[in-house]
Amino acid sequence: QKEVEQNSGPLSVPEGAIASLNCTYSDRVSQSFFWYRQYSGKSPELIMSIYSNGDKEDGRFTAQLNKASQYVSLLIRDSQPSDSATYLCAVFAGGTSYGKLTFGQGTILTVHP
Amino acid sequence: DAEITQSPRHKITETGRQVTLACHQTWNHNNMFWYRQDLGHGLRLIHYSYGVHDTNKGEVSDGYSVSRSNTEDLPLTLESAASSQTSVYFCASSVMVTGELFFGEGSRLTVL
Repeated sequence: QKEVEQNSGPLSVPEGAIASLNCTYSDRVSQSFFWYRQYSGKSPELIMSIYSNGDKEDGRFTAQLNKASQYVSLLIRDSQPSDSATYLCAVFAGGTSYGKLTFGQGTILTVHP
Repeated sequence: DAEITQSPRHKITETGRQVTLACHQTWNHNNMFWYRQDLGHGLRLIHYSYGVHDTNKGEVSDGYSVSRSNTEDLPLTLESAASSQTSVYFCASSVMVTGELFFGEGSRLTVL
C-alpha cells in the first residue's frame, strides 16, 4: 500500500461546479497535510495546509481532514478553467518517517467552459 | 526577492557520465530537499538536509548523492547516470521541518 494515495483521475468538471479531490494516507501518526497545485511544466505551489480535524476554508478552496479515517480532501467551489492543473496531496508523517514530506501521485483536474 | 534557483534547467547526458544539478536558495532556509517527478509516481524524495553538513537519504536515493557545505546550496550528483534517472528534478526548501515547501523551477534531465 502506498503511503499517500489520491483518487485516480483525470477529473473533469464543468465551469462553476464543485471539484472534489481525495487523498488517503497510511501512517496514523501523520501530523501535517498539504495540497499543492502544479500547472503543466511548472513547479508545485502550496494552496492549502491543514493540521487538525475538520474543515479549513480559504476563498474557493476548502480542505477537510479526518484523522480517524486517515482521509484528507480538497473542495474547489465555483471551479474555473484556470483551476485546471495537477493537484498533489502531501503528508508530513511522524514516527520513523519524521522529516519527510510524502506526496501522492497527483490528480489531474480539467475544468471545461 | 528571495528565491530558489536550479541549474541547468535542461540537460542531456550519456549513460555512465557524472552529472551535478545545482540548487541555490536565498531564503536562508535550513531545510532543503531534492525530489524527482515521474509520470504515475508523483514526487519522490531523493535526499534532504536539515542544515550545514547534514544529509539524509530519501526513498529513492540509490545512485544519487548530496553535500551541504553552506546554507544556500544543495547540489545533487548522479555518480554514473543511468537511463532510469531520466526525470524532472525539483529542489525545495522550507523554514520549518513541518512547514511549506518552496520549489525551484525544476531541472529536466535526459540520460541517453
